[in-house]
Amino acid sequence: SQQGEEDPQALSIQEGENATMNCSYKTSINNLQWYRQNSGRGLVHLILIRSNEREKHSGRLRVTLDTSKKSSSLLITASRAADTASYFCATVILNAGGTSYGKLTFGQGTILTVHP
Amino acid sequence: GAVVSQHPSWVICKSGTSVKIECRSLDFQATTMFWYRQFPKQSLMLMATSNEGSKATYEQGVEKDKFLINHASLTLSTLTVTSAHPEDSSFYICSARGRYRGALNYGYTFGSGTRLTVV
Repeated sequence: SQQGEEDPQALSIQEGENATMNCSYKTSINNLQWYRQNSGRGLVHLILIRSNEREKHSGRLRVTLDTSKKSSSLLITASRAADTASYFCATVILNAGGTSYGKLTFGQGTILTVHP
Repeated sequence: GAVVSQHPSWVICKSGTSVKIECRSLDFQATTMFWYRQFPKQSLMLMATSNEGSKATYEQGVEKDKFLINHASLTLSTLTVTSAHPEDSSFYICSARGRYRGALNYGYTFGSGTRLTVV
């Protein structure tokens, strides 16, 4: 079953604008990761944020995590046409004992289109 | 960085035949392999988890006799779709979990995916 829900499902913006995608999840997590997928290709890891972190930056990416609301956001600043892709959040679920099965489960994804 | 090689990238097969998909971790040992299935414009659905030398653990609703997974070594896992039917047509992606070059933490590296079309 899918762990997370993302919104929006699709986002269309102009180059130079910022893109914000949100992800919500249901169970306790070890960490939350964001991935990018170009059409018909594999996934590329973008950034990981641990459950004890609130915000993380990597280049033009900014990720926030609110464990009280079980939500995360990915912000891409100054978007480029090459950022056009699907973006997924993924979580490693903790079991009842607080350890991890190691299974990475994905949200529904946001399809981002950046127009030049 | 860590690389997972997945082959073939696409395959067309006749209904009733079997197809094998391979995933190799090229420069690290994959203690765990995950196999996902993805339908167009949808998310990745975890099918099964396999540890080297052990039987795979399948997610609820996934037929283990239809999707055979073998994880014979720390660098190779295969998914065989047996007696394929058109409804098995999908995009299959593997993910290897391991420590790259002695890293402290485990990372996940994805293959480039296999587009299976059953006609």
